[in-house]
Amino acid sequence: AQKVTQAQTEISVVEKEDVTLDCVYETRDTTYYLFWYKQPPSGELVFLIRRNSFDEQNEISGRYSWNFQKSTSSFNFTITASQVVDSAVYFCALSDTIQGAQKLVFGQGTRLTINP
Amino acid sequence: DAMVIQNPRYQVTQFGKPVTLSCSQTLNHNVMYWYQQKSSQAPKLLFHYYDKDFNNEADTPDNFQSRRPNTSFCFLDIRSPGLGDAAMYLCATSRDRAGGVWPQHFGDGTRLSIL
Repeated sequence: AQKVTQAQTEISVVEKEDVTLDCVYETRDTTYYLFWYKQPPSGELVFLIRRNSFDEQNEISGRYSWNFQKSTSSFNFTITASQVVDSAVYFCALSDTIQGAQKLVFGQGTRLTINP
Repeated sequence: DAMVIQNPRYQVTQFGKPVTLSCSQTLNHNVMYWYQQKSSQAPKLLFHYYDKDFNNEADTPDNFQSRRPNTSFCFLDIRSPGLGDAAMYLCATSRDRAGGVWPQHFGDGTRLSIL
């Protein structure tokens, strides 16, 4: 069965610190997709990144970077020079096919608080 | 901007009184999803529509139903809300799996309270 584990329930850092959010997944599929979503206090889920299982290159987008390692089934997310606006709950998710659509299996989320 | 819109943002209903939440999209995606998210938990998929085909999750209570009259709109009906149904309800859309797996785009959610 598909499973996503985000072991860090809450993280609190001071602004400008770097912070890494961990994500470990389980799947028997050889082809799969991983996602990160951000949920600010307003409630909407904001898509951050999609990564397929054949692409192990790390990705950087501004202050955000992602480290995908199939050998350890991990897809970690790092925020460099954190800002107060980065405060949110972050979800890692794994895709699961359902009849032409896709089901997202979410981790439990990590609540990130950036203190001024 | 193309988007997913949920109305209302906040909904209060009485115990046992039917309630309908709505979702519309301008993305022209053929898949629409409804999630329930309780406090400090991950979103939980209730059901989805792939075009007009309705697909229910095995553990979704019978109390929850959905309608999709056209590509743009989808409704979540809760026939007899109980206190345990108080939650944030999130609507999402995506393209189908042809050509890959695409991100789901979420609305702002409707926060449902039960009195």
